[in-house]
Amino acid sequence: SQTIHQWPATLVQPVGSPLSLECTVEGTSNPNLYWYRQAAGRGLQLLFYSVGIGQISSEVPQNLSASRPQDRQFILSSKKLLLSDSGFYLCASDPGGEKLFFGSGTQLSVL
Amino acid sequence: TQLLEQSPQFLSIQEGENLTVYCNSSSVFSSLQWYRQEPGEGPVLLVTVVTGGEVKKLKRLTFQFGDARKDSSLHITAAQPGDTGLYLCAGAGSSYKLIFGSGTRLLVRP
Repeated sequence: SQTIHQWPATLVQPVGSPLSLECTVEGTSNPNLYWYRQAAGRGLQLLFYSVGIGQISSEVPQNLSASRPQDRQFILSSKKLLLSDSGFYLCASDPGGEKLFFGSGTQLSVL
Repeated sequence: TQLLEQSPQFLSIQEGENLTVYCNSSSVFSSLQWYRQEPGEGPVLLVTVVTGGEVKKLKRLTFQFGDARKDSSLHITAAQPGDTGLYLCAGAGSSYKLIFGSGTRLLVRP
């Protein structure tokens, strides 16, 4: 079965600092990969999705970027964090187009 | 832009009570999924409904997809404290992307 590894679980960063969140997938190949952000107790906002290596689609204009250097690796980055970047970030994989498998998430607090 | 609205946003009930959560949109979806999420964790898929009018049951949970494939409901019978969590509906359109609803936070008190 598929496993999504996401780290770190919790991150506290100062405003203006860089960000790098990594997500790796095991148990599947050539999955569609996604980054979502979630406000506390609310729905998920799609930030980026990727259908293959080097292919990134951005859903909303923002201070973040994504990269997919390998088939099962998806990275979320920022050069300078803003207060509004705080939130719960979730990586997800969609290997067969049927359902999403989610990682355990990263709680980012920008202070 | 496709949007999914869930209601209610928050529900606090006593153990043993029944409840229904609604997921509504003005858009048609090819399928609709329901997820449940625990605090600090990622959502976990409960069910996928594909056909208009489809009804699926998962123990005490009953899921229904509207005839026009624009809405869905989740009914829980005899709720238990273990049902507590955030329930999210998500609609699949013509692309790879799932559109998530705004979420319903359920608290079942013992």
